[in-house]
Amino acid sequence: GQQVMQIPQYQHVQEGEDFTTYCNSSTTLSNIQWYKQRPGGHPVFLIQLVKSGEVKKQKRLTFQFGEAKKNSSLHITATQTTDVGTYFCAISGGGGTSYGKLTFGQGTILTVHP
Amino acid sequence: KAGVTQTPRYLIKTRGQQVTLSCSPISGHRSVSWYQQTPGQGLQFLFEYFSETQRNKGNFPGRFSGRQFSNSRSEMNVSTLELGDSALYLCASSPGANVLTFGAGSRLTVL
Repeated sequence: GQQVMQIPQYQHVQEGEDFTTYCNSSTTLSNIQWYKQRPGGHPVFLIQLVKSGEVKKQKRLTFQFGEAKKNSSLHITATQTTDVGTYFCAISGGGGTSYGKLTFGQGTILTVHP
Repeated sequence: KAGVTQTPRYLIKTRGQQVTLSCSPISGHRSVSWYQQTPGQGLQFLFEYFSETQRNKGNFPGRFSGRQFSNSRSEMNVSTLELGDSALYLCASSPGANVLTFGAGSRLTVL
């Protein structure tokens, strides 16, 4: 089945620094989603990207979908301690065989030092 | 609007026992998915139900099963528990577009 590689596995930053996590697939994706899981919490949906080259922003978060729809990134500008958590990308296969099934990247654990 | 509710939140079982976990989806959401989360394997898809029918299944042994009721509530069962079944079991509901809203999870410890 489809797989997605996510890097880096860990990222430690000082508060105010920027942060980026990347997801890469060897196959063309129909869409990609991003989720955030706070320590001790559960994944929370952030955004879905569908179009080639798409860029979406949510306050300090910028999400990009590659032109070839094989990679995506999440960039956080000027991190805050509230950004701490694990960020996951997730892909679905599209069509009827993917009902409810997302394949998640391994996640990037973000630590922010005040 | 109430979120996805999972019960119990925490449970401890011993090897060989079985466990049943419950999930109440967001009102109006007919699709319920289950995921297993472990430090080693990450988030892995178990199965998905829609209108009481299993539409999709992940790569887990037959000891893992589930069902959905007419009110969209879902249960999953794990029989003959193994140590490796210790995990956070997450239920997610969706109106059908594969954008998932997760519950807080049921943390299972197998001793």
